[in-house]
This record gives sequence, C-alpha cells and structure tokens, in this order.
Amino acid sequence: NAGVMQNPRHLVRRRGQEARLRCSPMKGHSHVYWYRQLPEEGLKFMVYLQKENIIDESGMPKERFSAEFPKEGPSILRIQQVVRGDSAAYFCASSPWNDNEQFFGPGTRLTVL
Amino acid sequence: GNSVTQMEGPVTLSEEAFLTINCTYTATGYPSLFWYVQYPGEGLQLLLKATKADDKGSNKGFEATYRKETTSFHLEKGSVQVSDSAVYFCALSHPGANNLFFGTGTRLTVIP
Repeated sequence: NAGVMQNPRHLVRRRGQEARLRCSPMKGHSHVYWYRQLPEEGLKFMVYLQKENIIDESGMPKERFSAEFPKEGPSILRIQQVVRGDSAAYFCASSPWNDNEQFFGPGTRLTVL
Repeated sequence: GNSVTQMEGPVTLSEEAFLTINCTYTATGYPSLFWYVQYPGEGLQLLLKATKADDKGSNKGFEATYRKETTSFHLEKGSVQVSDSAVYFCALSHPGANNLFFGTGTRLTVIP
C-alpha cells in the first residue's frame, strides 16, 4: 500500500506566478489535510477536505490560496500570484476517516524567487 | 485555545546518551498527544501516541507518558543512535477534530 504521495517535491516559482501542489492520499483514505511549515517553525494547519468538499479551511489565508479534492484525482493546493513569504514546505496528510491519526506525505518545498 | 510548547533545540548528544525532549501543552478537554519524527528530506512519521491520561506511548525505544497533572508529554530514549538524528515534533488533537496542533520541533543530532 503506497503512502501519501506529493508532487512535485520541489517547486520554484517567480513572484506573481501560480503554484499548484498535488497530493494523492493513501489508498482507501478519503480525508485530506494540508499543512504549511515555514522555516524553523512547526506545521500549521491550513485546510481539511473530503472528496468534493471543503470541511474546514480555517487555516487558509483569505486570498490567493485555494484547495480542492475532486471525485477523481489528487487533491490540489493552489497558490495564485505567489510572494516570497509563500516559500515553505507544504505537507499533505490523509486518514481513512476523521480520526486523530494522519499519515503524512514527503512534502513539497516551494521556493519563490 | 490549543497550543504545544517544545524545548528549543538544537540538541546534540553522543551516541548511547540519554535523551529527553520536553513537551507541554495547553488544551481544553482531553486531547490525544503525539510525537512525530521528520528525517532529513522526508515527511513526518508518527513515532508514538497516547490518547488518555497516564497512557504511555512507545516505539523504537522511545517513550512518552501522558501527564495530565503537569500537562506534559516528554519524549525519552535511554540510548540514542546516530540514526535517531532528526527533527521531533510534539502535537495534540482532539477526538473528532480536523487538525493537529504542532510544536515548533526540536532538532536532534547524535554524533558517534
């Protein structure tokens, strides 16, 4: 059973471009969580999704950030018009139900030039 | 509110030394507590967890006991190895909650 997969592992964007981060949950998992890890900080919750639904986006910045988890395919975290402050590691986690134990992917390290 | 405070690193130990990484928390109710480990270039892996007071989580020689009276969940290992070098995160979650609350992480380096 493959673990949580994220791609790309590294992404470089110039200011003003768009970044699209993908997350494929573990097989059988229908709950996806996105976290952001700024340099020298812990992970901060961004958004929780189930298939086709955003359940909790209380940690998402109000502008430029969006997330989706379509019926088919991976979950996507989209950042429009990136700024240098968006440089961080973005981690996706999945679980089979809304339970305490979440399984994390290897993360996408976004660098904004 | 919910928060997790970890001892600041970095921590450098010699192989076979005793390890303690302190973690205290603030939360309402009865959270579950976790330790995650992040090896270089990888994502987080669950190391151990405890879901109620006085529970002891253990894995790979690491242990942590859920102490409600002191709101703590300190991570310990009796004899560290070079391969334990990583960043360790303490975290909490409430049953049925949507997310984990993480501490800032403690970087451990074990030297031969």
